[in-house]
Amino acid sequence: DVKVTQSSRYLVKRTGEKVFLECVQDMDHENMFWYRQDPGLGLRLIYFSYDVKMKEKGDIPEGYSVSREKKERFSLILESASTNQTSMYLCASSSEGYQPQHFGDGTRLSIL
Amino acid sequence: AQSVAQPEDQVNVAEGNPLTVKCTYSVSGNPYLFWYVQYPNRGLQFLLKYITGDNLVKGSYGFEAEFNKSQTSFHLKKPSALVSDSALYFCAVRVSGGSYIPTFGRGTSLIVHP
Repeated sequence: DVKVTQSSRYLVKRTGEKVFLECVQDMDHENMFWYRQDPGLGLRLIYFSYDVKMKEKGDIPEGYSVSREKKERFSLILESASTNQTSMYLCASSSEGYQPQHFGDGTRLSIL
Repeated sequence: AQSVAQPEDQVNVAEGNPLTVKCTYSVSGNPYLFWYVQYPNRGLQFLLKYITGDNLVKGSYGFEAEFNKSQTSFHLKKPSALVSDSALYFCAVRVSGGSYIPTFGRGTSLIVHP
């Protein structure tokens, strides 16, 4: 089974801090995704990567950046955390073609 | 462009009764359709997909979905609901041959009453 591991389940940070969320997948998938999930808004795509060092902006990239130096690892960076970035963050990976995405268990991030 | 609508924010059903969670989609081309389930404080888990072939797709935990091209729908069904089916359900679509980025519906909360 594919396993997508997010480094933290719960995280509390302060306004203005630089925050790193890490995601690792073990199935050699080309595609990796970062979403945030908020009540009533569903999943919103922040960034997408289709290969090492390649990335594309999603629907809500403002205030975020990403890094993919190795195929299995995709990091989400909050450059200067703000309270409106308090949310559930989900990482996912997929292979090419018609295969489904595989999700991590999420990181619930609180910015105080 | 591609889009998904889940018209019901919440579905309530009694245990043992059949359940349906609705999904309609819009794509320019042939769709790949997916259902996922999310339990509290967990990520999304894949339930089933439609790629091509039989319109009735069977998936995990006794769930199935029917692809209806004329109505552009992909409703999730189960003949007999369990209390443990209570969760958030997401429908997703992407177009065959297009971007790898799927579009998700906003989710439907299924509540199964004992």
